[in-house]
Amino acid sequence: QQPVQSPQAVILREGEDAVINCSSSKALYSVHWYRQKHGEAPVFLMILLKGGEQKGHDKISASFNEKKQQSSLYLTASQLSYSGTYFCGTEIGANAGGTSYGKLTFGQGTILTVHP
Amino acid sequence: DSGVTQTPKHLITATGQRVTLRCSPRSGDLSVYWYQQSLDQGLQFLIQYYNGEERAKGNILERFSAQQFPDLHSELNLSSLELGDSALYFCASRRGGAGANVLTFGAGSRLTVL
Repeated sequence: QQPVQSPQAVILREGEDAVINCSSSKALYSVHWYRQKHGEAPVFLMILLKGGEQKGHDKISASFNEKKQQSSLYLTASQLSYSGTYFCGTEIGANAGGTSYGKLTFGQGTILTVHP
Repeated sequence: DSGVTQTPKHLITATGQRVTLRCSPRSGDLSVYWYQQSLDQGLQFLIQYYNGEERAKGNILERFSAQQFPDLHSELNLSSLELGDSALYFCASRRGGAGANVLTFGAGSRLTVL
């Protein structure tokens, strides 16, 4: 039930763009995106609830394709501060099993490195 | 400061021992999650509590147990410790049990088993 993220790692120069994908084999209720710096706690970026919903925060945005059970995180004009590991977390829909409701499972992470 | 408090921050112990990790959620949050993160690995979901009751379970070992108390703080008990249990253990809290509520992480408890 763990979502699958791709790619595993991305190396960018400042100002370049990146896309991180997250897919699930189960029908999704919500998708959460977090960023973690080495040795620190993961920090919330955004939540997507509805199919097709797109949210943005500064130059970071995300989309949620409910039909494909996929979400993508878009980082545009990357900055040095964007470096870190990005995790998507997924919640399976309540109709997929009541006991899974609220269980937030994270992918293995995508390591993003931005160089000057 | 995220508002989620975890103690201790660091813990070094020997194989076969037992330890307890404590988590105080953000004020007003009813749900507590526990995750294990081994060196440079992902976040492995262990267990979730909502308002004192177990809500969801992940791949939590039988040697591990947890509970959420009436004041909503939670404890994760790890027993018969093995070298492989060395990891960063995160607690996270959430206003509700699911959906649009943001998961806020504590700073983590780093456990080293020697």
